[in-house]
Amino acid sequence: ELKVEQNPLFLSMQEGKNYTIYCNYSTTSDRLYWYRQDPGKSLESLFVLLSNGAVKQEGRLMASLDTKARLSTLHITAAVHDLSATYFCAVDDNAGNMLTFGGGTRLMVKP
Amino acid sequence: ETGVTQTPRHLVMGMTNKKSLKCEQHLGHNAMYWYKQSAKKPLELMFVYSLEERVENNSVPSRFSPECPNSSHLFLHLHTLQPEDSALYLCASSQAELTGFGNTIYFGEGSWLTVV
Repeated sequence: ELKVEQNPLFLSMQEGKNYTIYCNYSTTSDRLYWYRQDPGKSLESLFVLLSNGAVKQEGRLMASLDTKARLSTLHITAAVHDLSATYFCAVDDNAGNMLTFGGGTRLMVKP
Repeated sequence: ETGVTQTPRHLVMGMTNKKSLKCEQHLGHNAMYWYKQSAKKPLELMFVYSLEERVENNSVPSRFSPECPNSSHLFLHLHTLQPEDSALYLCASSQAELTGFGNTIYFGEGSWLTVV
């Protein structure tokens, strides 16, 4: 059974600071997805990582994938309040279209 | 506006009621999903319809019954639910075939269900 763990589950940080969210998964996969969810809203796709060493960047967010370590990171640079949300990583089981989601990281950026 | 629309957005039902959640996708996808999201658990996959074939999570109680009449529509029929079934139910869709862009799943806004 594929398991996906995120760390930390809750993160409170000051504006302007940097931080990294970690996503570990238990079985071989080379497809990993990051989603953002605002309170009361649906999930919005942020990044799709499809190979070992893949790196994607959008604004203040950068995601990377290390399939050998079974680890993905979501790095936040110079955080701003608008980034406050819950971030989920999800891993494809390589067998089709089954995604297993991590527990989510609730990010709160304080002014 | 999301390409996946869900109705109703909010539903309150008694334990003896029968109701249905509806989902429609306008993205030309051929796979659709129901997920459950609650305060206690991360996103749980309930059902998948892919290329008109149903793939089911065996741990889903029979009081939840999916229906997929075509590749654009998905229903979740609810009957004799329990208060612990109160949660956000998210519909999603994707392409069943893997592409160069992976198979990103696109979510609807969700239906908030409260069972009283």
